[in-house]
Amino acid sequence: DSGVTQTPKHLITATGQRVTLRCSPRSGDLSVYWYQQSLDQGLQFLIQYYNGEERAKGNILERFSAQQFPDLHSELNLSSLELGDSALYFCASSGGRNEKLFFGSGTQLSVL
Amino acid sequence: AQSVAQPEDQVNVAEGNPLTVKCTYSVSGNPYLFWYVQYPNRGLQFLLKYITGDNLVKGSYGFEAEFNKSQTSFHLKKPSALVSDSALYFCAVRDRSYFGNEKLTFGTGTRLTIIP
Repeated sequence: DSGVTQTPKHLITATGQRVTLRCSPRSGDLSVYWYQQSLDQGLQFLIQYYNGEERAKGNILERFSAQQFPDLHSELNLSSLELGDSALYFCASSGGRNEKLFFGSGTQLSVL
Repeated sequence: AQSVAQPEDQVNVAEGNPLTVKCTYSVSGNPYLFWYVQYPNRGLQFLLKYITGDNLVKGSYGFEAEFNKSQTSFHLKKPSALVSDSALYFCAVRDRSYFGNEKLTFGTGTRLTIIP
């Protein structure tokens, strides 16, 4: 168990809908990262938050947004969903700049 | 920009034989390098990392990796493969000379299959 909790584990929705993925980092970790894993794109970095502030941005679509709350949990919001958004979304946390990432078990999103 | 390449999508090794999973990297400065493993329906698990110091890094489950600066490589190795090593392996890099850059960039992954 990595200590990173992601909910829900599975999400099935329709095109055009909006969903929210939730992540609770390991106790004490200030950094939260979101990654998208798909068969054709591999593991893509989306966004990083550090202690409530956005730290780095990757290949995140404008339809997607994220935030980190004062209790350090994070949410990834995906809107106007398309079939191509179907993927496994991972959250990871770390305790510092040079520390390894601890990954949650992911949320499998299926857009039908 | 930072990137890693894993040239082999699939590697098959007989149980008990040594295994190597290849990784090359590209960064503008000095790299931090990582290997992660993903088992079915699980998140990525950390195996080992290279920050500085010895070029041979030892990690979890008997794995090790050799940092080669001249060849910009960081190959993952194990002297004797187990069937339980079968999984998807990811190499990752972070450019440590880029202040504020804390994201890891992952390779496309190599599926390792150990044949009994």
